[in-house]
Amino acid sequence: AQSVTQLDSHVSVSEGTPVLLRCNYSSSYSPSLFWYVQHPNKGLQLLLKYTSAATLVKGINGFEAEFKKSETSFHLTKPSAHMSDAAEYFCVVSEADTGRRALTFGSGTRLQVQP
Amino acid sequence: SQTIHQWPATLVQPVGSPLSLECTVEGTSNPNLYWYRQAAGRGLQLLFYSVGIGQISSEVPQNLSASRPQDRQFILSSKKLLLSDSGFYLCAWSNPGLARIEQYFGPGTRLTVT
Repeated sequence: AQSVTQLDSHVSVSEGTPVLLRCNYSSSYSPSLFWYVQHPNKGLQLLLKYTSAATLVKGINGFEAEFKKSETSFHLTKPSAHMSDAAEYFCVVSEADTGRRALTFGSGTRLQVQP
Repeated sequence: SQTIHQWPATLVQPVGSPLSLECTVEGTSNPNLYWYRQAAGRGLQLLFYSVGIGQISSEVPQNLSASRPQDRQFILSSKKLLLSDSGFYLCAWSNPGLARIEQYFGPGTRLTVT
């Protein structure tokens, strides 16, 4: 069975400082991993995805994530936070071999950006 | 390009009333379709998914049902709403035939059961 743990429910940073949102996963197979962002009362937008190619993945809006198999982690980072980054972020895992065409979501991390 | 629509955007319904939420996808054929529910302060829970017309898989036994009458239309229904059905309902699609691939989400429907 697959699972995702987002280690922080809330993260607060100042504008212009780095962002780190932590995610650990558990998977019986070689997983695909994603980060999605959700602004209040909106749908989810895909930030980036890892699908067994390069371990450092670059996404939209300056975000990137590094897949570390030895640590079973897929942390999301951004060098400099912007006020518009304030939102909820979800780490997500998908498995290819189970036949279950679905994603498993973490519980989310709410990012606050202080001026 | 592909787009996904959901309606209504918001809905307030009394306990015991019926429900029908609709999702349509444009710009793709034979997509995989999904319904998720997001309760307040929680992650997303998969409710149903469909790989083709009339093919529905249920993930969680509950008061809801889903149907796919057309290739790019996915409907979530209930005969009698419960208070616990309140939440944010999201429809999503992914490319057909591939299990390990990203999903694209609609704007969601906020349902409040009173």
